[in-house]
Amino acid sequence: EVQLVESGGALVQPGGSLRLSCAASGFTFSSYNMNWVRQAPGKGLEWVSYISSSSSTKYYADSVKGRFTISRDNAENSLYLQMNSLRAEDTAVYYCAREWPLDYWGQGTLVTVSS
Amino acid sequence: QSVLTQPPSVSAAPGQKVTISCSGSNSNIGNNFVSWYQQLPGTAPKLLIYDNNKRPSGIPDRFSGSKSGTSATLDISGLQTGDEADYYCGTWDSSLSAYVFGTGTTVTVL
Repeated sequence: EVQLVESGGALVQPGGSLRLSCAASGFTFSSYNMNWVRQAPGKGLEWVSYISSSSSTKYYADSVKGRFTISRDNAENSLYLQMNSLRAEDTAVYYCAREWPLDYWGQGTLVTVSS
Repeated sequence: QSVLTQPPSVSAAPGQKVTISCSGSNSNIGNNFVSWYQQLPGTAPKLLIYDNNKRPSGIPDRFSGSKSGTSATLDISGLQTGDEADYYCGTWDSSLSAYVFGTGTTVTVL
């Protein structure tokens, strides 16, 4: 059974940093591209970032470019999102999702940016 | 702001059919496959339709998708109370080099 479990969400002050993790199981993680998608409270879905299976290709939404960094460790079956210079508008539930189309999603982890 | 436009809400009685539209442009829907996602209240999104009209294993054939030009459509027939959810279209945008979602549509069963 495919499982994606996010962690690392927290309350952080504006300008702060946070690192999210996504632990994958039930499939050959190293063979799949991965994504981060977020959803602000009461709002729609917003794609954040993509990383290819080998980490050779990465894409970012304009709203996070230069502040967020996606990475992965295939040996550890883990996906990461390093978030720096956080803003109030980054407050959201962050989901990791497999591939395009986004065929499996985790349950999400809440990031709150507030003073 | 999303580059894919959906109606905010649609509704129908149980057993009826609803249609959700997703309007885009040549840089996204016009030249890429469209997917649809269902988000039940308080849960993570789930893939409903991929490659315009294909259903993942376990998705009932009451859900169907289509695409024409720069627009896509999700049809839900035989509407059930369990279909009450938010629905999002999604596709790659070649101009933005980004995956884009629609604005989302809330389905209400009357």
